[in-house]
Amino acid sequence: GESVGLHLPTLSVQEGDNSIINCAYSNSASDYFIWYKQESGKGPQFIIDIRSNMDKRQGQRVTVLLNKTVKHLSLQIAATQPGDSAVYFCAEGTYGQNFVFGPGTRLSVLP
Amino acid sequence: GAVVSQHPSRVICKSGTSVKIECRSLDFQATTMFWYRQFPKKSLMLMATSNEGSKATYEQGVEKDKFLINHASLTLSTLTVTSAHPEDSSFYICSARFMGADYGYTFGSGTRLTVV
Repeated sequence: GESVGLHLPTLSVQEGDNSIINCAYSNSASDYFIWYKQESGKGPQFIIDIRSNMDKRQGQRVTVLLNKTVKHLSLQIAATQPGDSAVYFCAEGTYGQNFVFGPGTRLSVLP
Repeated sequence: GAVVSQHPSRVICKSGTSVKIECRSLDFQATTMFWYRQFPKKSLMLMATSNEGSKATYEQGVEKDKFLINHASLTLSTLTVTSAHPEDSSFYICSARFMGADYGYTFGSGTRLTVV
C-alpha cells in the first residue's frame, strides 16, 4: 500500500545549529501533510502543516518544504534547542480523512 | 484552543477485564475522532475512525468486538478494550480534527495500558 518513510531514523545536531528532517511519501494523491513532534511517553504534538498547493510554509523557528515532483517533505528547525529533542513524524493524507504516519526520526540535540 | 483531553493517562488492569479510555474535545466539536495504537519506538497505527452518531470504521486487522468505540456526542469518544490480554498492552492515542481559521488535527496525551 501507500507509505510514508523517513530517510534518517536518527539525527544528532549541536545546540544552536539548524536541523533538517526529511520524509519521502509515495501517494501522489495526498494533498495534506503534517509534521508532529512526540516526546517520550506523551502524545504527538502538532508542529506545522502544508497543503499540496504550497511548496513552503513557515512557523515559529520551523519551516516545512514540499516538493511534489519528487514526493519529498522536509522540516527545518532553526537554532535547535535542547527542548527540540524528540521523535518527529511526518504524515500524509487527504484533509478530512485519516493519515499515514512515517516511522519517525529521533532528533538529539547535543550541548 | 483545540484541546483534546484523554483519560486515564496510565492504567494497569488484569487479564480478562475491560478498560475504557475517554477522549474529550474541550473547546470545539469533534465530529470525527481517530484512535491510534503505538508500540514502543514505533509509529502510530490507525485503529479506527469514530464518527459522532454512527458506527466506527475499523482498519483491517483490528477486532471491532475487542476494541469498542463509542462516539455518542460531539465532544466525547471512548475506546473500550474488552477482555484485555497482555498483548493489548500499548500506548493508545486519540486525535480529532478541528475546523476554523486554524484548522488542523490535535492529539490527546495518550493512555499507557498495561495488562498483567
